[in-house]
Amino acid sequence: GAGVSQTPSNKVTEKGKYVELRCDPISGHTALYWYRQSLGQGPEFLIYFQGTGAADDSGLPNDRFFAVRPEGSVSTLKIQRTERGDSAVYLCASSAGLANTGELFFGEGSRLTVL
Amino acid sequence: AQSVTQLDSQVPVFEEAPVELRCNYSSSVSVYLFWYVQYPNQGLQLLLKYLSGSTLVESINGFEAEFNKSQTSFHLRKPSVHISDTAEYFCAVSEVTTGRRALTFGSGTRLQVQP
Repeated sequence: GAGVSQTPSNKVTEKGKYVELRCDPISGHTALYWYRQSLGQGPEFLIYFQGTGAADDSGLPNDRFFAVRPEGSVSTLKIQRTERGDSAVYLCASSAGLANTGELFFGEGSRLTVL
Repeated sequence: AQSVTQLDSQVPVFEEAPVELRCNYSSSVSVYLFWYVQYPNQGLQLLLKYLSGSTLVESINGFEAEFNKSQTSFHLRKPSVHISDTAEYFCAVSEVTTGRRALTFGSGTRLQVQP
């Protein structure tokens, strides 16, 4: 497709389980971002990839959260030992180029519910 | 570090009335400024941005925003709204000089246009 694709769109899991959320960016976009949006809040930065490497992971809340982008395209956000507080919409965005001019293209998000 | 404040969580307005959505930011370095819009069941989209030059920037659908450095504001305005403008609007900033590419978002303002 032409846009950023995220799967699954909805994920319900139990506390303590492991989840993976996938992001397929726009073809050719070298930069990829993960954000988390809790109810009533704006998107909160988690991690940014430039190519295959994590250029900035300062937003990851703790070591239960990890993300990879092994081939510089698709990325997976991995959450271990999920907690109820992890419930949120996880947004992925991609952009072209190196400038931080802020034109990010967002997917529709993956809604995670931890029971 | 930066922060973005959107004081109004909801703004109800009648169709064809003017509207202003307020955004104030705090940063120790120069910033780029953005407004993103999220229509129902869609991903976030860039509405307009200020990078440099004229402090008044416009979008293709009639919105405008003015960067006011002394008041650290970037309010969004439209002289006459349509039903189709109903959406959530997010103000965001990114740092110019450090090159850190993560956007910092405000908590959003839900614009509800009524007939």
